[in-house]
Amino acid sequence: QSALTQPASVSGSPGQSITISCTGTSSDVGGYNYVSWYQQHPGKAPKLMIYEVSNRPSGVPDRFSGSKSGNTASLTISGLQAEDEADYYCSSYTSSPSVVFGGGTKLTVL
Amino acid sequence: QVQLQESGPGLVKPSQTLSLTCTVSGGSISSGGYYWSWIRQHPGKGLEWIGYIYYSGSTYYNPSLKSRVTISVDTSKNQFSLKLSSVTAADTAVYYCARERPAVVDYWGQGTLVTVSS
Repeated sequence: QSALTQPASVSGSPGQSITISCTGTSSDVGGYNYVSWYQQHPGKAPKLMIYEVSNRPSGVPDRFSGSKSGNTASLTISGLQAEDEADYYCSSYTSSPSVVFGGGTKLTVL
Repeated sequence: QVQLQESGPGLVKPSQTLSLTCTVSGGSISSGGYYWSWIRQHPGKGLEWIGYIYYSGSTYYNPSLKSRVTISVDTSKNQFSLKLSSVTAADTAVYYCARERPAVVDYWGQGTLVTVSS
C-alpha cells in the first residue's frame, strides 16, 4: 500500500498558524473518518494529537485542530510555540483493511 | 495507565526470523475494545504499520508485509508477539508495539532498534 502524501517540511514563526496536509485516496482518507495525527520529537515515540479527523485526546492543547475534505486531511496548529517543533505524521484506516501512515512532515519553528 | 514494553534481540542475521514480544501492564489484553499493534520506523524515515491482533486472535496485516509477518497473542501472560521472516537489511528499524483502535494509536512502547546484519 502507498503511504499517504505529506509535505516534507513546513515552517512558521512563534504565534503564527501552519497547516499540514495529508492526501490519500477514496480507499483510505476519503473513505473513512478514521484519520489520526501524531507528533514525534527526536528519539521519542509518537504521541496522538488528533483522532477521527478532528477529535483531540485529553491533554492536547486546543491550538491543534484537524479537518478533512475529500481525499485530503489537514492538521492546523495555531499560536505556534517552540515546543511544537517536531515531526508530524497522519494515518488512516484503509479498505484492505489495514492502516497506512503518511511520509511525515518536519515542522520548524523559526 | 497502560504501559507497553518491547523485548527481543537487537541483532538478527539476514534470512533469519525477527522475533519480538510486547508485555502490556496497567491493562488487560483480554478486556477487548482494542487491537494490539506493531509499527516500525526505519532510521531517519517515517512510520510503517505492520499489523495488529485482537485478543480473540484475529489478525490484520500490512499487505506489503503479509507474506512474512505473524502476530500472535498470549492472554495468560498479557503479551503479544511479532515474527518477521526472511529478514534483510531493509528490515532494520525501530519496532514499536502499541495499543490501537483502528488508526488511533493511543499508547506506544518506547521502541526497540533491531539491526539486520551478519
